[in-house]
Amino acid sequence: DGGITQSPKYLFRKEGQNVTLSCEQNLNHDAMYWYRQDPGQGLRLIYYSQIVNDFQKGDIAEGYSVSREKKESFPLTVTSAQKNPTAFYLCASSLRQREGYTFGSGTRLTVV
Amino acid sequence: GQQVMQIPQYQHVQEGEDFTTYCNSSTTLSNIQWYKQRPGGHPVFLIQLVKSGEVKKQKRLTFQFGEAKKNSSLHITATQTTDVGTYFCALIQGAQKLVFGQGTRLTINP
Repeated sequence: DGGITQSPKYLFRKEGQNVTLSCEQNLNHDAMYWYRQDPGQGLRLIYYSQIVNDFQKGDIAEGYSVSREKKESFPLTVTSAQKNPTAFYLCASSLRQREGYTFGSGTRLTVV
Repeated sequence: GQQVMQIPQYQHVQEGEDFTTYCNSSTTLSNIQWYKQRPGGHPVFLIQLVKSGEVKKQKRLTFQFGEAKKNSSLHITATQTTDVGTYFCALIQGAQKLVFGQGTRLTINP
């Protein structure tokens, strides 16, 4: 079955450590996105990529970095510069402009 | 950039009652999308509306896009416990950037 795989589902890290969240899709979608969701809140866009080797900052990119070396993969690195990294991170993809997004099941990151 | 406001933020109903959430914008929207997120889950795409005055139905769910394309609503008839979750509206900003409303969290008393 086609879909988006995010791993791991739960991740714990010590403060000051960088951590990379994985996102892989086999939907052959061109565009991929990273969102952050805090408890009881909406989704805020971190980074997005419309094509391989290209990506743009979203609304809250500070403290995060991404790469898009393959169409299928869009990993997100949460760096030590991110002030409040504990959150639910969601990866999504879409086939074309102005179509519904498909979301992965998310990674819950806790920094202690 | 454009933003959307969703109301109410929370809604608690008895099973069998109807439920409506509203999404409002101060500017004209090119389209609006709706998503559902179950507790502990991820958002799932429900529908996209693009035409002024558009009304679409999915079983007990009715989606509307206002005539001026500045507001939208999602109405659920005779809620069931499976409807529990948070419902988000979202608009596409620019080429392909989806901006979400804050969501309406629906809880249901069985």
